[in-house]
Amino acid sequence: ILNVEQSPQSLHVQEGDSTNFTCSFPSSNFYALHWYRWETAKSPEALFVMTLNGDEKKKGRISATLNTKEGYSYLYIKGSQPEDSATYLCAWSRTGNQFYFGTGTSLTVIP
Amino acid sequence: KAGVTQTPRYLIKTRGQQVTLSCSPISGHRSVSWYQQTPGQGLQFLFEYFSETQRNKGNFPGRFSGRQFSNSRSEMNVSTLELGDSALYLCASSTGTSGAFYNEQFFGPGTRLTVL
Repeated sequence: ILNVEQSPQSLHVQEGDSTNFTCSFPSSNFYALHWYRWETAKSPEALFVMTLNGDEKKKGRISATLNTKEGYSYLYIKGSQPEDSATYLCAWSRTGNQFYFGTGTSLTVIP
Repeated sequence: KAGVTQTPRYLIKTRGQQVTLSCSPISGHRSVSWYQQTPGQGLQFLFEYFSETQRNKGNFPGRFSGRQFSNSRSEMNVSTLELGDSALYLCASSTGTSGAFYNEQFFGPGTRLTVL
Protein backbone atom coordinates (compact mmCIF):
# COMPACT_ATOMS: atom_id res chain seq x y z
CA ILE A 1 0.00 0.00 0.00
CA LEU A 2 1.41 3.38 -1.00
CA ASN A 3 0.15 6.02 1.43
CA VAL A 4 -0.01 9.65 0.51
CA GLU A 5 -1.09 11.76 3.45
CA GLN A 6 -2.18 15.37 3.53
CA SER A 7 -2.59 17.71 6.46
CA PRO A 8 -4.52 19.45 7.68
CA GLN A 9 -7.76 17.88 6.47
CA SER A 10 -9.46 21.28 6.42
CA LEU A 11 -8.53 24.85 7.00
CA HIS A 12 -10.43 28.10 7.43
CA VAL A 13 -8.47 31.32 7.00
CA GLN A 14 -9.30 34.99 6.74
CA GLU A 15 -8.90 36.79 3.45
CA GLY A 16 -5.34 38.08 3.21
CA ASP A 17 -3.82 35.39 5.44
CA SER A 18 -1.06 33.21 4.10
CA THR A 19 -1.34 29.48 4.59
CA ASN A 20 0.40 26.22 3.81
CA PHE A 21 -0.44 22.53 3.59
CA THR A 22 1.64 19.39 3.75
CA CYS A 23 1.75 16.29 1.58
CA SER A 24 3.81 13.31 2.68
CA PHE A 25 4.55 10.40 0.39
CA PRO A 26 6.81 7.33 0.04
CA SER A 27 10.35 8.51 -0.59
CA SER A 28 11.46 5.33 -2.35
CA ASN A 29 10.96 4.84 -6.09
CA PHE A 30 9.89 8.44 -6.42
CA TYR A 31 9.06 9.76 -9.87
CA ALA A 32 6.82 12.79 -9.57
CA LEU A 33 4.63 14.69 -7.16
CA HIS A 34 1.54 16.47 -8.44
CA TRP A 35 -0.62 19.19 -6.89
CA TYR A 36 -4.19 19.72 -8.02
CA ARG A 37 -6.79 22.28 -7.14
CA TRP A 38 -10.38 21.02 -7.08
CA GLU A 39 -13.32 23.36 -6.86
CA THR A 40 -16.75 21.97 -6.09
CA ALA A 41 -18.61 20.65 -9.16
CA LYS A 42 -15.58 21.20 -11.38
CA SER A 43 -12.72 19.05 -12.63
CA PRO A 44 -9.48 18.84 -10.66
CA GLU A 45 -7.05 21.29 -12.22
CA ALA A 46 -3.30 20.68 -12.26
CA LEU A 47 -1.24 23.24 -10.39
CA PHE A 48 2.26 21.82 -10.32
CA VAL A 49 4.23 18.72 -11.10
CA MET A 50 7.60 18.35 -9.45
CA THR A 51 10.22 15.72 -10.01
CA LEU A 52 13.53 16.82 -8.51
CA ASN A 53 14.55 17.07 -4.89
CA GLY A 54 14.60 20.72 -3.95
CA ASP A 55 12.19 21.69 -6.74
CA GLU A 56 10.29 24.89 -6.13
CA LYS A 57 7.43 25.94 -8.37
CA LYS A 58 5.38 29.13 -8.36
CA LYS A 59 2.18 30.26 -10.03
CA GLY A 60 1.01 33.70 -8.94
CA ARG A 61 0.41 33.62 -5.19
CA ILE A 62 0.73 29.83 -4.98
CA SER A 63 4.05 28.03 -4.65
CA ALA A 64 5.21 24.54 -3.80
CA THR A 65 8.40 22.89 -2.60
CA LEU A 66 9.56 19.29 -2.75
CA ASN A 67 11.80 17.16 -0.54
CA THR A 68 12.09 13.69 -2.06
CA LYS A 69 14.62 12.41 0.47
CA GLU A 70 12.28 12.83 3.41
CA GLY A 71 9.09 12.42 1.36
CA TYR A 72 7.17 15.65 1.73
CA SER A 73 5.94 18.63 -0.25
CA TYR A 74 4.53 21.92 0.94
CA LEU A 75 1.98 24.07 -0.87
CA TYR A 76 1.92 27.75 0.09
CA ILE A 77 -0.74 30.34 -0.66
CA LYS A 78 0.24 33.93 -0.02
CA GLY A 79 -2.51 36.46 0.74
CA SER A 80 -5.43 34.04 0.43
CA GLN A 81 -8.45 35.22 -1.52
CA PRO A 82 -12.01 33.82 -1.46
CA GLU A 83 -11.46 32.41 -4.95
CA ASP A 84 -8.69 30.23 -3.51
CA SER A 85 -11.36 28.23 -1.65
CA ALA A 86 -11.08 24.68 -2.96
CA THR A 87 -9.74 21.27 -2.10
CA TYR A 88 -6.03 20.88 -2.79
CA LEU A 89 -4.94 17.38 -3.71
CA CYS A 90 -1.49 15.95 -3.98
CA ALA A 91 -0.64 12.78 -5.86
CA TRP A 92 2.48 10.65 -6.05
CA SER A 93 3.05 8.96 -9.38
CA ARG A 94 5.28 6.43 -10.99
CA THR A 95 5.57 5.51 -14.64
CA GLY A 96 2.51 4.12 -16.32
CA ASN A 97 0.14 6.83 -15.18
CA GLN A 98 -0.68 5.25 -11.82
CA PHE A 99 -1.33 8.10 -9.42
CA TYR A 100 -1.75 7.73 -5.66
CA PHE A 101 -3.77 10.56 -4.19
CA GLY A 102 -4.03 11.97 -0.71
CA THR A 103 -7.43 12.80 0.74
CA GLY A 104 -6.90 16.49 0.17
CA THR A 105 -6.92 19.69 2.21
CA SER A 106 -10.15 21.65 2.05
CA LEU A 107 -9.44 25.38 2.19
CA THR A 108 -12.11 27.96 2.96
CA VAL A 109 -11.13 31.61 2.73
CA ILE A 110 -13.46 33.84 4.70
CA PRO A 111 -14.01 37.34 3.22
CA LYS B 1 -9.03 22.30 -27.20
CA ALA B 2 -11.97 20.44 -25.71
CA GLY B 3 -11.44 18.97 -22.27
CA VAL B 4 -12.22 15.55 -20.90
CA THR B 5 -15.93 14.79 -20.94
CA GLN B 6 -17.83 12.24 -18.91
CA THR B 7 -21.37 11.00 -19.33
CA PRO B 8 -23.70 10.83 -17.63
CA ARG B 9 -22.97 13.36 -14.89
CA TYR B 10 -25.42 11.82 -12.45
CA LEU B 11 -26.82 8.34 -12.18
CA ILE B 12 -29.11 6.54 -9.75
CA LYS B 13 -29.22 2.75 -9.72
CA THR B 14 -30.43 0.05 -7.36
CA ARG B 15 -28.46 -2.76 -5.79
CA GLY B 16 -27.79 -5.66 -8.11
CA GLN B 17 -28.00 -3.60 -11.29
CA GLN B 18 -25.08 -2.85 -13.52
CA VAL B 19 -23.90 0.51 -14.83
CA THR B 20 -21.72 1.81 -17.63
CA LEU B 21 -19.93 5.14 -17.48
CA SER B 22 -18.30 6.84 -20.44
CA CYS B 23 -15.23 9.03 -20.78
CA SER B 24 -14.02 10.91 -23.85
CA PRO B 25 -10.39 12.02 -23.53
CA ILE B 26 -8.72 15.10 -24.91
CA SER B 27 -8.05 14.74 -28.62
CA GLY B 28 -4.70 13.05 -29.19
CA HIS B 29 -4.55 11.49 -25.73
CA ARG B 30 -4.27 7.73 -25.76
CA SER B 31 -4.38 6.98 -22.05
CA VAL B 32 -7.49 7.01 -19.90
CA SER B 33 -7.41 6.34 -16.16
CA TRP B 34 -10.39 5.85 -13.87
CA TYR B 35 -10.66 6.81 -10.21
CA GLN B 36 -13.24 6.37 -7.50
CA GLN B 37 -13.83 8.84 -4.70
CA THR B 38 -15.96 7.91 -1.70
CA PRO B 39 -16.57 10.15 1.32
CA GLY B 40 -13.44 10.51 3.42
CA GLN B 41 -11.26 8.71 0.89
CA GLY B 42 -8.79 10.07 -1.57
CA LEU B 43 -9.14 9.29 -5.22
CA GLN B 44 -8.62 5.54 -5.55
CA PHE B 45 -7.07 4.30 -8.77
CA LEU B 46 -9.23 1.77 -10.63
CA PHE B 47 -7.39 1.10 -13.88
CA GLU B 48 -5.67 2.69 -16.84
CA TYR B 49 -6.18 1.94 -20.50
CA PHE B 50 -3.71 2.79 -23.20
CA SER B 51 -4.24 2.00 -26.88
CA GLU B 52 -7.20 -0.27 -26.08
CA THR B 53 -5.22 -2.35 -23.55
CA GLN B 54 -5.41 -2.29 -19.78
CA ARG B 55 -1.96 -1.19 -18.69
CA ASN B 56 -2.40 -0.78 -14.93
CA LYS B 57 -4.97 -2.00 -12.46
CA GLY B 58 -5.79 -0.92 -8.92
CA ASN B 59 -7.06 -3.06 -6.08
CA PHE B 60 -10.75 -3.34 -6.92
CA PRO B 61 -12.93 -6.44 -7.29
CA GLY B 62 -13.65 -7.98 -10.67
CA ARG B 63 -17.08 -6.35 -10.71
CA PHE B 64 -15.26 -3.26 -11.91
CA SER B 65 -14.15 -3.52 -15.50
CA GLY B 66 -13.36 -1.23 -18.35
CA ARG B 67 -12.49 -1.02 -21.97
CA GLN B 68 -11.12 1.43 -24.46
CA PHE B 69 -12.09 1.92 -28.06
CA SER B 70 -9.93 2.70 -31.06
CA ASN B 71 -10.81 6.40 -30.78
CA SER B 72 -9.48 6.32 -27.17
CA ARG B 73 -12.92 6.75 -25.62
CA SER B 74 -13.26 4.57 -22.57
CA GLU B 75 -16.10 2.97 -20.70
CA MET B 76 -16.17 1.67 -17.17
CA ASN B 77 -18.66 -0.99 -16.11
CA VAL B 78 -19.70 -1.99 -12.62
CA SER B 79 -21.78 -5.14 -12.34
CA THR B 80 -23.94 -6.28 -9.42
CA LEU B 81 -23.94 -2.87 -7.80
CA GLU B 82 -23.54 -2.60 -4.04
CA LEU B 83 -24.43 0.31 -1.77
CA GLY B 84 -20.71 0.94 -1.22
CA ASP B 85 -20.25 1.63 -4.92
CA SER B 86 -21.96 4.99 -4.45
CA ALA B 87 -19.20 7.40 -5.30
CA LEU B 88 -17.87 10.02 -7.66
CA TYR B 89 -16.09 8.37 -10.58
CA LEU B 90 -13.50 10.48 -12.33
CA CYS B 91 -11.62 9.76 -15.48
CA ALA B 92 -8.38 11.38 -16.54
CA SER B 93 -6.64 11.45 -19.88
CA SER B 94 -3.01 11.86 -20.77
CA THR B 95 -0.67 11.22 -23.65
CA GLY B 96 0.40 8.14 -21.70
CA THR B 97 3.86 8.08 -23.22
CA SER B 98 5.66 4.91 -22.13
CA GLY B 99 8.86 5.51 -20.26
CA ALA B 100 8.08 9.15 -19.59
CA PHE B 101 9.06 10.35 -16.15
CA TYR B 102 5.51 11.49 -15.69
CA ASN B 103 2.45 12.05 -17.80
CA GLU B 104 0.28 14.96 -16.78
CA GLN B 105 -3.31 13.87 -16.25
CA PHE B 106 -6.31 16.00 -17.19
CA PHE B 107 -9.49 15.21 -15.35
CA GLY B 108 -13.12 15.17 -16.37
CA PRO B 109 -15.88 16.52 -14.10
CA GLY B 110 -16.90 13.08 -12.91
CA THR B 111 -20.01 10.94 -12.77
CA ARG B 112 -21.86 10.87 -9.47
CA LEU B 113 -23.28 7.37 -8.98
CA THR B 114 -25.85 6.72 -6.28
CA VAL B 115 -26.80 3.13 -5.49
CA LEU B 116 -30.08 2.68 -3.60
